[in-house]
Amino acid sequence: GENVEQHPSTLSVQEGDSAVIKCTYSDSASNYFPWYKQELGKGPQLIIDIRSNVGEKKDQRIAVTLNKTAKHFSLHITETQPEDSAVYFCAALNSGYALNFGKGTSLLVTP
Amino acid sequence: EAEVAQSPRYKITEKSQAVAFWCDPISGHATLYWYRQILGQGPELLVQFQDESVVDDSQLPKDRFSAERLKGVDSTLKIQPAELGDSAMYLCASSTGQSRTTEAFFGQGTRLTVV
Repeated sequence: GENVEQHPSTLSVQEGDSAVIKCTYSDSASNYFPWYKQELGKGPQLIIDIRSNVGEKKDQRIAVTLNKTAKHFSLHITETQPEDSAVYFCAALNSGYALNFGKGTSLLVTP
Repeated sequence: EAEVAQSPRYKITEKSQAVAFWCDPISGHATLYWYRQILGQGPELLVQFQDESVVDDSQLPKDRFSAERLKGVDSTLKIQPAELGDSAMYLCASSTGQSRTTEAFFGQGTRLTVV
């Protein structure tokens, strides 16, 4: 089935710096790639997604890029703030319309 | 804002006991998912419903787990008997399921601890 690899597993940045999380997927038929933010004890919250007909999408301080040829996509957070600290998951929609998730990146933004 | 409702938020049960979780998806969402998330890992699909029908339960341990969505709205996930290794967060999600690019929204989850 679909395999989603996510790196790094942990990331520590200083407030104001940028953070980048990268994912790769194996199923060339995947065409939908969401990113979720999960805070401690809560469910994953959708923060941004990208579809295969575009290469980049931006929403304020968050941007995602997609390279379908290379089968990888990335999350970019600029001007990081302490409230950005959380676990971030990438995912890819499989042929059965269910999401396959990466293992997550624990982001820590220090003041 | 519409959201996926789950209950209970927390559950502690002894091994070999039965436990059940409930999920009410966003109104109008035909597709409902149950995921299991072990601490420090990403969610993994257990079962997927389209309306009242099971679409994918290939990863559901059917000897002890069961799931139903009788009227195509809310859903129940049951474990009987519970084992220590079942301790995890159980997440429910829903989507309209109208295309391959529709968003899936998650509930707050049920944190299960088996002792």
